[in-house]
Amino acid sequence: DTAVSQTPKYLVTQMGNDKSIKCEQNLGHDTMYWYKQDSKKFLKIMFSYNNKELIINETVPNRFSPKSPDKAHLNLHINSLELGDSAVYFCASSHLGGTPRQETQYFGPGTRLLVL
Amino acid sequence: AQSVTQPDIHITVSEGASLELRCNYSYGATPYLFWYVQSPGQGLQLLLKYFSGDTLVQGIKGFEAEFKRSQSSFNLRKPSVHWSDAAEYFCAVLKTSYDKVIFGPGTSLSVIP
Repeated sequence: DTAVSQTPKYLVTQMGNDKSIKCEQNLGHDTMYWYKQDSKKFLKIMFSYNNKELIINETVPNRFSPKSPDKAHLNLHINSLELGDSAVYFCASSHLGGTPRQETQYFGPGTRLLVL
Repeated sequence: AQSVTQPDIHITVSEGASLELRCNYSYGATPYLFWYVQSPGQGLQLLLKYFSGDTLVQGIKGFEAEFKRSQSSFNLRKPSVHWSDAAEYFCAVLKTSYDKVIFGPGTSLSVIP
């Protein structure tokens, strides 16, 4: 029954590796997001996809590449991981262009990435 | 540029005491306003939201927030805090559809038994 789910919950890896984080939502939303939360708990948006099209692309290294195979999934692939990539990554979803109530973002449980 | 401030980085209250967490935003028009809570090791849970209408908004877990246009504020309140309320609280602002949500830096709440 989980509305927004992410896998894995924890990810520990070596510098230079490539890894992926997956996100799925069963809310019927048309828009999905990736956020990064740093060690000071600051939340910053990275990407947003609406109906599988990229609509928000913040200043993020091109080592990060989102992929949306369909409206219910948004994956994040990270190449050549660096120490500074260690953070918690949150996926979220919402419905854009509907009523304001539908534009509320619902968050997944987060993926805790540690790069050694 | 649009911004959200939460002046209190950390607040400690005694269980049973009242709570007010402050949030101010800078934006010309009235945006959509949200409060989220993040318990330790967990994701973000929506507490309440304001879009229009009544400026006092009721949320889950006994929380409420009041929108004050003149002060560009959206402060979160709870009359009696429980130990389980210890968490990180984020205020967030959405200007319009297809825009990005801007989160405040968060306020960490500790509750003393």
